[in-house]
Amino acid sequence: EVQLVESGGGLVQPGGSLRLSCAASGFTFSNYEMNWVRQAPGKGLEWVSYISSSGSAIYYADSVKGRFTISRDNAKNSLYLQMNSLRAEDTAVYYCASYYYGSGRCFDYWGQGTLVTVSS
Amino acid sequence: QSVLTQPPSASGTPGQRVTISCSGSSSNIGSNYVYWYQQLPGTAPKLLIYRNNQRPSGVPDRFSGSKSGTSASLAISGLRSEDEADYYCAAWDDSLSKVFGTGTKVTVL
Repeated sequence: EVQLVESGGGLVQPGGSLRLSCAASGFTFSNYEMNWVRQAPGKGLEWVSYISSSGSAIYYADSVKGRFTISRDNAKNSLYLQMNSLRAEDTAVYYCASYYYGSGRCFDYWGQGTLVTVSS
Repeated sequence: QSVLTQPPSASGTPGQRVTISCSGSSSNIGSNYVYWYQQLPGTAPKLLIYRNNQRPSGVPDRFSGSKSGTSASLAISGLRSEDEADYYCAAWDDSLSKVFGTGTKVTVL
């Protein structure tokens, strides 16, 4: 069974830090591109960051550039998001999402999300 | 970073066809693939359409996507009660960022 399980969310004060993790199972993690996507309460989806299957390509949304760092450990089937200098506007459910396209087929899996609340 | 524009809501009766539009620019929809996601209440998004008009395995053929210029659309034919959800388009931008649409809530009357 394919699973993506996020962890590490919680309540943090403005200016604080959190590290989100995403544990993958049931598929060949090292073949998949990974993204973090967030959704503020009652709002739409917002892309946060991307990392290629090997980790050689990394992109960030302007809203988090310089504050967030994405990484992955293919040996541990895990994706991470280090979030520093957190702001109230970073409050959201954070989803990890995987994507693979090859041989004319596409596979796309999402985790259930982890809630990050930035508040004093 | 830009956002793709969708109508906030759409509705139809069971069996009807509903179409959702997604408007972007030359740097995103105009030059990259479009993706569509369905988000049922309280759940994570699910990919419905990739590469403009392709369906992942398991997605019913009632869902179809198209793209023309800097706009795209998702059509749901034979609308069913379980299609009531939020729908988002998305595309990569030439600035190496992924942009999502504003979202459309589909209601089955």
